[in-house]
Amino acid sequence: EVQLVQSGAEVKKPGESLKISCQGSGYSFTSNWIGWVRQRPGRGLEWMGMIFPGDSDTTYSPSFQGQVTMSVDGSINTAYLQWSSLEASDTAMYYCARQTSRGWDNWGQGTLVAVSS
Amino acid sequence: QSVLTQPPSVSGAPGQRVTISCTGSSSNIGAGYNVHWYQQIPGTAPKLLIYGNDNRPSGVPDRFSGSRSGTSASLAISGLQAEDEADYYCQSYGGRLSDSVFGTGTRVTVL
Repeated sequence: EVQLVQSGAEVKKPGESLKISCQGSGYSFTSNWIGWVRQRPGRGLEWMGMIFPGDSDTTYSPSFQGQVTMSVDGSINTAYLQWSSLEASDTAMYYCARQTSRGWDNWGQGTLVAVSS
Repeated sequence: QSVLTQPPSVSGAPGQRVTISCTGSSSNIGAGYNVHWYQQIPGTAPKLLIYGNDNRPSGVPDRFSGSRSGTSASLAISGLQAEDEADYYCQSYGGRLSDSVFGTGTRVTVL
């Protein structure tokens, strides 16, 4: 069974750094792109970008370029999303998902990030 | 800012048929890129509902169907059930396969 398991909820202050994770299992992790999606409270889904675990090739949505960094550790089947300096506007649920030719077919359970002073 | 436009809400009585439109442009849907649909029950992660315009993953009831024509796509739900109350999102590509884009989302309410 394909599974993506994300790290737990985070409460941070503005200016702090953060790295959240997404661990895949049940398939060849290095063979499919992993994407990240932001969902602010009460709002829709926003595609942030994606990374290919096989070679760490990365593409970012223009809206998120320079705002976040995606990385991967193929040895432990884990993708990461990180911020160097959080802002209140980063408060959201963040999802990872496996991208295939059949769409984003498996999703993590989400990581809630709350940023408040 | 999404480039795929959906109606904010649709509603129907149990057993009725509802449709959700997803309007794009010649840069995305109209360029021939596939459209996928996702269902998100409040408080849970999105779930793939339709892929490749009109295909259902295993386990998705055949009450759900998709289509694509020109610069738009549609999701139809026939025999509406209470459990179908959720948010629905279309997704395609913004000019390159490396650029995903989601629709604005539609809340389906069962009256």
